[in-house]
Amino acid sequence: DSGVTQTPKHLITATGQRVTLRCSPRSGDLSVYWYQQSLDQGLQFLIQYYNGEERAKGNILERFSAQQFPDLHSELNLSSLELGDSALYFCASSVSSGRYTGELFFGEGSRLTVL
Amino acid sequence: QQQVKQSPQSLIVQKGGIPIINCAYENTAFDYFPWYQQFPGKGPALLIAIRPDVSEKKEGRFTISFNKSAKQFSLHIMDSQPGDSATYFCAASMLFGNEKLTFGTGTRLTIIP
Repeated sequence: DSGVTQTPKHLITATGQRVTLRCSPRSGDLSVYWYQQSLDQGLQFLIQYYNGEERAKGNILERFSAQQFPDLHSELNLSSLELGDSALYFCASSVSSGRYTGELFFGEGSRLTVL
Repeated sequence: QQQVKQSPQSLIVQKGGIPIINCAYENTAFDYFPWYQQFPGKGPALLIAIRPDVSEKKEGRFTISFNKSAKQFSLHIMDSQPGDSATYFCAASMLFGNEKLTFGTGTRLTIIP
C-alpha cells in the first residue's frame, strides 16, 4: 500500500460528459502528480501541484483541469469527454523541495471508460 | 516528443534467465534514472534508481547499468522468477528543479516456469 488513495477506481460515462477524479496523497507529501496511462503511450505526465500551486504542466488537454486543495488532496476534472480519453489515470505524491528523494508514490489508479 | 525510449515492448524469458530492458534518453539535464515495476491492477512502484555519477547499481537481483556518454541505461534481472512478471517502466527526471518523471513506454515481462 503506497498510502495514496484514488477514487473512484472505475468510472464509465458517455461522450460529452464531465467527471472528477480525486486523489489523497501520502501523509506529509506536498506534491501531487497526475499521469495518464494508455495502452500505446505508457505513462504520460499531465500536471503537478506543490502545496496548492501548479508547479509543472505536461501534455494536459485544455478540456482537463486540476487543483490541489488546502488539505493537499487533489482533483482532476475531465470535461467534454471523448472516446480517446478512456485510460487509467494515476495520481502520485512525493515530498518536494529540499526533501525530494526522487521517488513518486502512486495510487492504484482510476480507470475511465468513455462510451 | 518522447524523451525516454524503452525497448523491447514485451519480453518472455524462462525462469532463471536474465531479462534485459533498455532505455535511452535525450535530455542531458536528467540526473535521476529510476525503474518502476507495475503489477496488473496496481500503480507503478519504485524498484531501483541510479544517479549518473555511477555506472552500475545493484539491489538484490536487480541491476541498473548506466552509460552516460551513450545516454543509455538498462535493467537486468538476475535469476528471474515467475513473480517478476510485470510491466517495467524506465524513467528520468531532474532531482532539483523540474521533479516530474518522464517515463518510457513500458516493457511487459513474462517469466515462464
